[in-house]
Amino acid sequence: GIQVEQSPPDLILQEGANSTLRCNFSDSVNNLQWFHQNPWGQLINLFYIPSGTKQNGRLSATTVATERYSLLYISSSQTTDSGVYFCAAHPKRDALNFGKGTSLLVTP
Amino acid sequence: SAVISQKPSRDICQRGTSLTIQCQVDSQVTMMFWYRQQPGQSLTLIATANQGSEATYESGFVIDKFPISRPNLTFSTLTVSNMSPEDSSIYLCSVEGRHEQYFGPGTRLTVT
Repeated sequence: GIQVEQSPPDLILQEGANSTLRCNFSDSVNNLQWFHQNPWGQLINLFYIPSGTKQNGRLSATTVATERYSLLYISSSQTTDSGVYFCAAHPKRDALNFGKGTSLLVTP
Repeated sequence: SAVISQKPSRDICQRGTSLTIQCQVDSQVTMMFWYRQQPGQSLTLIATANQGSEATYESGFVIDKFPISRPNLTFSTLTVSNMSPEDSSIYLCSVEGRHEQYFGPGTRLTVT
Protein backbone atom coordinates (compact mmCIF):
# COMPACT_ATOMS: atom_id res chain seq x y z
CA GLY A 1 0.00 0.00 0.00
CA ILE A 2 0.87 3.67 -0.16
CA GLN A 3 3.61 4.85 2.22
CA VAL A 4 3.17 8.19 4.00
CA GLU A 5 6.15 9.82 5.69
CA GLN A 6 6.03 12.97 7.78
CA SER A 7 8.75 15.31 8.96
CA PRO A 8 9.84 16.53 11.36
CA PRO A 9 8.62 14.04 13.98
CA ASP A 10 8.76 16.66 16.73
CA LEU A 11 8.73 20.44 16.72
CA ILE A 12 8.91 23.04 19.47
CA LEU A 13 8.04 26.63 18.67
CA GLN A 14 7.61 29.86 20.53
CA GLU A 15 4.27 31.54 20.22
CA GLY A 16 4.18 33.72 17.13
CA ALA A 17 6.64 31.66 15.09
CA ASN A 18 5.88 30.10 11.71
CA SER A 19 6.40 26.46 10.76
CA THR A 20 6.25 24.08 7.81
CA LEU A 21 5.33 20.42 8.13
CA ARG A 22 6.07 18.04 5.29
CA CYS A 23 4.33 14.89 4.04
CA ASN A 24 5.83 12.62 1.37
CA PHE A 25 3.76 9.87 -0.21
CA SER A 26 4.85 6.96 -2.37
CA ASP A 27 2.05 6.76 -4.96
CA SER A 28 -0.43 8.97 -6.75
CA VAL A 29 -3.34 9.92 -4.51
CA ASN A 30 -7.06 10.42 -4.89
CA ASN A 31 -7.37 11.57 -1.30
CA LEU A 32 -4.91 13.46 0.89
CA GLN A 33 -5.94 15.03 4.15
CA TRP A 34 -4.29 16.89 7.01
CA PHE A 35 -5.62 16.46 10.56
CA HIS A 36 -4.90 17.97 13.94
CA GLN A 37 -5.32 15.66 16.91
CA ASN A 38 -6.00 17.63 20.05
CA PRO A 39 -4.96 16.55 23.56
CA TRP A 40 -8.32 14.81 24.03
CA GLY A 41 -7.68 12.57 21.03
CA GLN A 42 -10.19 14.15 18.67
CA LEU A 43 -9.11 14.26 15.03
CA ILE A 44 -9.98 17.58 13.45
CA ASN A 45 -10.10 17.88 9.68
CA LEU A 46 -7.82 20.67 8.49
CA PHE A 47 -7.60 20.20 4.74
CA TYR A 48 -8.69 17.86 1.99
CA ILE A 49 -5.98 18.58 -0.57
CA PRO A 50 -5.01 15.90 -3.13
CA SER A 51 -3.57 18.74 -5.25
CA GLY A 52 -3.24 22.50 -5.27
CA THR A 53 -3.21 25.07 -2.48
CA LYS A 54 -5.77 25.97 0.18
CA GLN A 55 -5.84 28.44 3.03
CA ASN A 56 -7.89 28.63 6.17
CA GLY A 57 -6.97 31.46 8.49
CA ARG A 58 -3.44 31.01 9.79
CA LEU A 59 -3.16 27.58 8.19
CA SER A 60 -2.46 26.80 4.58
CA ALA A 61 -1.52 23.68 2.65
CA THR A 62 0.01 22.87 -0.69
CA THR A 63 0.15 19.50 -2.45
CA VAL A 64 2.41 18.95 -5.44
CA ALA A 65 0.93 15.72 -6.71
CA THR A 66 3.49 15.21 -9.48
CA GLU A 67 6.31 15.30 -6.93
CA ARG A 68 4.34 13.38 -4.29
CA TYR A 69 4.55 15.73 -1.36
CA SER A 70 2.34 18.03 0.66
CA LEU A 71 3.20 20.90 2.99
CA LEU A 72 1.23 22.32 5.89
CA TYR A 73 2.08 25.89 6.89
CA ILE A 74 1.24 27.28 10.30
CA SER A 75 1.75 31.02 10.70
CA SER A 76 1.80 33.07 13.90
CA SER A 77 1.50 29.91 15.98
CA GLN A 78 -0.53 29.89 19.18
CA THR A 79 -0.41 27.57 22.19
CA THR A 80 -3.73 26.10 21.06
CA ASP A 81 -1.97 24.83 17.91
CA SER A 82 -0.15 22.27 20.05
CA GLY A 83 -0.93 18.64 19.34
CA VAL A 84 -0.16 16.07 16.71
CA TYR A 85 -0.57 16.80 13.01
CA PHE A 86 -1.27 13.84 10.76
CA CYS A 87 -1.10 13.53 7.02
CA ALA A 88 -3.13 10.68 5.52
CA ALA A 89 -3.55 9.55 1.94
CA HIS A 90 -4.98 6.91 -0.35
CA PRO A 91 -4.77 6.29 -4.10
CA LYS A 92 -8.49 5.60 -4.30
CA ARG A 93 -11.60 6.48 -2.35
CA ASP A 94 -10.91 4.11 0.50
CA ALA A 95 -9.57 4.03 4.03
CA LEU A 96 -6.67 6.36 4.67
CA ASN A 97 -3.05 5.43 5.32
CA PHE A 98 -1.66 7.65 8.03
CA GLY A 99 1.82 8.99 8.53
CA LYS A 100 3.40 8.82 11.98
CA GLY A 101 2.57 12.45 12.64
CA THR A 102 4.39 15.59 13.73
CA SER A 103 4.11 16.40 17.42
CA LEU A 104 3.99 20.18 17.82
CA LEU A 105 4.46 22.07 21.08
CA VAL A 106 3.95 25.82 21.06
CA THR A 107 5.31 27.52 24.16
CA PRO A 108 4.20 30.91 25.52
CA SER B 1 -19.75 17.23 6.65
CA ALA B 2 -20.83 14.22 8.70
CA VAL B 3 -21.48 14.30 12.43
CA ILE B 4 -20.31 11.12 14.12
CA SER B 5 -20.88 10.03 17.70
CA GLN B 6 -19.31 7.13 19.55
CA LYS B 7 -20.27 5.35 22.73
CA PRO B 8 -18.73 4.93 25.20
CA SER B 9 -16.28 7.81 25.13
CA ARG B 10 -13.99 5.94 27.48
CA ASP B 11 -13.96 2.79 29.53
CA ILE B 12 -11.74 0.80 31.84
CA CYS B 13 -12.15 -2.94 31.44
CA GLN B 14 -10.71 -6.04 33.00
CA ARG B 15 -8.56 -8.51 31.13
CA GLY B 16 -10.56 -11.27 29.46
CA THR B 17 -13.79 -9.29 29.06
CA SER B 18 -15.30 -7.79 25.90
CA LEU B 19 -16.44 -4.27 25.04
CA THR B 20 -18.74 -3.18 22.24
CA ILE B 21 -18.23 0.30 20.80
CA GLN B 22 -21.04 2.01 18.93
CA CYS B 23 -20.70 4.47 16.07
CA GLN B 24 -23.65 6.57 14.88
CA VAL B 25 -23.63 8.88 11.86
CA ASP B 26 -26.15 11.64 11.12
CA SER B 27 -26.49 10.68 7.46
CA GLN B 28 -26.50 7.52 5.38
CA VAL B 29 -23.05 6.40 4.29
CA THR B 30 -21.87 3.43 2.28
CA MET B 31 -18.48 2.84 3.81
CA MET B 32 -17.51 2.99 7.48
CA PHE B 33 -14.04 2.36 8.79
CA TRP B 34 -12.67 1.36 12.18
CA TYR B 35 -9.20 2.45 13.25
CA ARG B 36 -7.04 1.79 16.29
CA GLN B 37 -4.53 4.21 17.77
CA GLN B 38 -2.20 2.67 20.32
CA PRO B 39 -0.57 5.02 22.86
CA GLY B 40 1.84 7.41 21.19
CA GLN B 41 1.28 5.85 17.78
CA SER B 42 -0.44 6.70 14.55
CA LEU B 43 -3.78 5.36 13.37
CA THR B 44 -4.04 1.86 11.94
CA LEU B 45 -7.01 0.57 9.98
CA ILE B 46 -8.74 -2.41 11.57
CA ALA B 47 -11.49 -3.06 9.03
CA THR B 48 -13.87 -1.61 6.49
CA ALA B 49 -17.58 -2.16 7.10
CA ASN B 50 -20.10 -1.93 4.28
CA GLN B 51 -23.79 -2.34 4.96
CA GLY B 52 -25.11 -5.72 3.95
CA SER B 53 -21.78 -7.46 3.63
CA GLU B 54 -19.07 -8.92 5.82
CA ALA B 55 -16.45 -6.52 7.07
CA THR B 56 -13.06 -6.61 5.38
CA TYR B 57 -10.20 -6.92 7.86
CA GLU B 58 -6.63 -5.67 7.47
CA SER B 59 -3.62 -7.86 7.99
CA GLY B 60 -3.11 -8.53 11.68
CA PHE B 61 -6.77 -8.13 12.63
CA VAL B 62 -9.24 -11.03 12.75
CA ILE B 63 -12.99 -11.28 13.04
CA ASP B 64 -12.90 -13.41 16.17
CA LYS B 65 -11.03 -10.67 18.02
CA PHE B 66 -12.78 -7.64 16.48
CA PRO B 67 -16.27 -8.63 15.30
CA ILE B 68 -18.07 -5.82 13.49
CA SER B 69 -21.73 -5.29 12.76
CA ARG B 70 -23.21 -2.92 10.18
CA PRO B 71 -26.99 -3.30 10.40
CA ASN B 72 -27.86 -0.14 8.46
CA LEU B 73 -26.38 2.86 6.67
CA THR B 74 -26.01 5.03 9.79
CA PHE B 75 -24.73 2.64 12.46
CA SER B 76 -21.93 0.21 13.19
CA THR B 77 -20.44 -1.57 16.18
CA LEU B 78 -16.95 -2.86 16.90
CA THR B 79 -16.41 -5.41 19.67
CA VAL B 80 -13.02 -5.88 21.26
CA SER B 81 -13.10 -9.45 22.54
CA ASN B 82 -11.14 -11.24 25.23
CA MET B 83 -9.23 -8.09 26.00
CA SER B 84 -5.63 -7.87 27.14
CA PRO B 85 -3.62 -4.81 28.21
CA GLU B 86 -2.22 -4.62 24.65
CA ASP B 87 -5.72 -3.67 23.49
CA SER B 88 -5.52 -0.40 25.42
CA SER B 89 -5.97 2.16 22.64
CA ILE B 90 -8.22 4.79 21.19
CA TYR B 91 -10.70 3.25 18.77
CA LEU B 92 -12.11 5.57 16.11
CA CYS B 93 -14.78 5.13 13.51
CA SER B 94 -14.69 7.05 10.28
CA VAL B 95 -16.99 7.65 7.34
CA GLU B 96 -16.46 8.89 3.83
CA GLY B 97 -18.06 12.18 2.92
CA ARG B 98 -18.38 13.65 -0.53
CA HIS B 99 -14.61 13.79 -0.88
CA GLU B 100 -12.94 13.55 2.49
CA GLN B 101 -13.21 11.31 5.52
CA TYR B 102 -14.57 12.33 8.88
CA PHE B 103 -13.75 10.81 12.23
CA GLY B 104 -15.73 10.24 15.38
CA PRO B 105 -14.46 11.50 18.74
CA GLY B 106 -12.98 8.10 19.60
CA THR B 107 -13.36 5.61 22.43
CA ARG B 108 -10.47 5.55 24.87
CA LEU B 109 -10.10 2.01 26.20
CA THR B 110 -7.89 0.98 29.09
CA VAL B 111 -7.52 -2.70 29.90
CA THR B 112 -6.26 -3.63 33.36
